[in-house]
Amino acid sequence: DAGVIQSPRHEVTEMGQEVTLRCKPISGHNSLFWYRQTMMRGLELLIYFNNNVPIDDSGMPEDRFSAKMPNASFSTLKIQPSEPRDSAVYFCASRPPQDPEQYFGPGTRLTVT
Amino acid sequence: AQSVTQLDSQVPVFEEAPVELRCNYSSSVSVYLFWYVQYPNQGLQLLLKYLSGSTLVKGINGFEAEFNKSQTSFHLRKPSVHISDTAEYFCAVNFNKFYFGSGTKLNVKP
Repeated sequence: DAGVIQSPRHEVTEMGQEVTLRCKPISGHNSLFWYRQTMMRGLELLIYFNNNVPIDDSGMPEDRFSAKMPNASFSTLKIQPSEPRDSAVYFCASRPPQDPEQYFGPGTRLTVT
Repeated sequence: AQSVTQLDSQVPVFEEAPVELRCNYSSSVSVYLFWYVQYPNQGLQLLLKYLSGSTLVKGINGFEAEFNKSQTSFHLRKPSVHISDTAEYFCAVNFNKFYFGSGTKLNVKP
């Protein structure tokens, strides 16, 4: 299996622009997680889905952030409008049924100038 | 509530020396415990996990961890480290969702 796939790997954008991060989970996994990693705050869970349904979005920082999972093989995390403080590495992870282990993607490094 | 504490933010050690990275958690219920490793500019990779059974868990790259319920700890150990072990290590607890520690940066010196 190719593992969790994230795109793009790097994104540089200007403040105020819309940013969309993409994730393809491992086939057969039914849970998907979005994390943000920064030096100041470490790894933070933003939102997670189970069977394509958002279960807990309490970590989403504000209304500028939104996430969707239209089907079992694709999810997006959108930031609109983006701000410099959104600069971070964003990870997607997926998890198979009946297994607590999460499998992480390589991350998207976002820089907002 | 669940939480994870990694007591050391950085651990310097010489090559071939033993190392222990400490992790304590707080939980009122049974949990699953994990250690992940993150190499520079990469994602997180599972080192080992404790779900049940033997309290001594062996993982990849010669690492092992021991689950101690009475001390609510899950310390990671390696008897002899390599330069290639230089990375950041995260302890995590799973109860419905993951709670990560703040990470420990292991710096192996020649």
